Amino acid sequence: QSALTQPRSVSGSPGQSVTISCTGTTSDVGGYDHVSWYQHHPGTAPKLIIFDVTRRPSGDPDRFSGSKSGNTASLTISGLQAEDEGDYYCCSYAGSQRIYVFGTGTKVTVL
Amino acid sequence: EVQVVESGGGLVKSGESLRLSCAASGLTFTYAWMSWVRQAPGKGLEWIGRIKSKTDGGTAEYAASVKDRFTISRDDSKNTFFLQMNNLETGDTGVYYCATRSGLQFAHSFDIWGQGTVVTVSS
Repeated sequence: QSALTQPRSVSGSPGQSVTISCTGTTSDVGGYDHVSWYQHHPGTAPKLIIFDVTRRPSGDPDRFSGSKSGNTASLTISGLQAEDEGDYYCCSYAGSQRIYVFGTGTKVTVL
Repeated sequence: EVQVVESGGGLVKSGESLRLSCAASGLTFTYAWMSWVRQAPGKGLEWIGRIKSKTDGGTAEYAASVKDRFTISRDDSKNTFFLQMNNLETGDTGVYYCATRSGLQFAHSFDIWGQGTVVTVSS
C-alpha cells in the first residue's frame, strides 16, 4: 500500500486561503468516506483537524474544511493565520486490507 | 481527560528487539482500539498497526513494512498497549506514537495522541 500523494509544500499570505490535495486510489480515498487530516509540528503530538472527509472536532475553528472528489481529498485553510504554519497529513482507511494509509505530508508556510 | 503516554524507546543495534508501551487513562480501556504511528527522521507519518478491543475480537492488523516483525498486544488489567519490535532495522529509527479515538464518532481517525517515544537503531 503506497502513501497517499500530497504536494510537498503550499504557502499563502495571512488572510488568504490555501488548499492541500491528497490523492489515493479506489482502495482507500476513493472507496471510503474515512479521510482524516492532521496538523503536526515536529516534536509534538499530531492534532486531528478533520475526520470522515468533512467533519470537524467540536470546538475546532471552522477555518479548516475538507472535501473529496473521486480518489482525491482536499483540505482548505481559510483566513490563513501565522499559527497555521506546520506540516499537514491526510490519512485514509483502506478497508479491504483493514489498514490505514497516511499521505506524504505538506508543509504550510505563512508568508 | 483522555491521555496516552508512550515509553520504552531507546538505542538498539540492528537485529535486536525492543518493546514499547502505551499507557492509557481517561477512557474505557476495554473498548479502546489503539494504533501505532511512526515518523522516521525527515519523513512523514506512517501507520504501522492497530489492535482492536477484545470485545471487537482483539485482532491486530499491520502495515506491510512491519508485518512479521512487529506485534501489537494489550493488557487490559494494566490499561496498557504494547508494540513488540523484533529484528529491528536502521529504517525503523524514528519517533513512535500511540494514537486512539476518544469516542465512536472518531471511528476511523485518531483524536488522541501521545507525545511519542524515540527509537534509534544503529548498524
